[in-house]
Amino acid sequence: QSALTQPASVSGSPGQSIVISCTGTSSDVGGYEYVSWYQQYPGKAPKLIIYGVINRPSGVPNRFSGSKSGNTASLAISGLLPDDEADYYCSSYTSSATYVFGTGTTVTVL
Amino acid sequence: EVLLVESGGALVQPGGSLRLSCAASGFTFSSYWMQWVRQTPGKGLVWVSRISTDGSSTSYADSVKGRFTISRDNARDTVYLEMNSLTVEDTAVYYCGRAGYYRIDYWGQGSLVTVSS
Repeated sequence: QSALTQPASVSGSPGQSIVISCTGTSSDVGGYEYVSWYQQYPGKAPKLIIYGVINRPSGVPNRFSGSKSGNTASLAISGLLPDDEADYYCSSYTSSATYVFGTGTTVTVL
Repeated sequence: EVLLVESGGALVQPGGSLRLSCAASGFTFSSYWMQWVRQTPGKGLVWVSRISTDGSSTSYADSVKGRFTISRDNARDTVYLEMNSLTVEDTAVYYCGRAGYYRIDYWGQGSLVTVSS
């Protein structure tokens, strides 16, 4: 199972909006509404920020939003804050009853 | 409060074996699927394995199939990952996670496994 493709890095100024893409295939991202996104700070465990493509767990700011079109899912962060500087990973359920993560994206707040 | 605590990580020689444990608390362990995910230092997350609530259903990434075995003890609120025939490519921080509906909603702090001679 190949990793889902994400841009290596995305940057933006405070207050701006950014979008991180996550491209897979019809056997994973495109085939199921089971895409999740995780935020990870250096040396820390990942944290769930989006599940089921568009849903936010309790406590996650509505500045974070998810969407999907075909085989590509996206995570948008609006009103960028310094605290948003972290690594972000997408994940999808697959037709093999397994899961696959994305390659990861480092977000830099300029 | 949901808490997952991994243990068992160590330095092991290539070809060796190791068992990781993940002790859960703060929720009804027997009601949740559990997963293992690993991360090579400085690299991305890689899904490893998952197990159903009663242990009857398991699945593995191709890279560990036949070498790793996931199991659980609902009486001890603990999930395990038995790792055999370890190679240097298995060096990573191993995280256990509580599987919500097609997602990992809580993660442990990780346990470092280093495979080296």
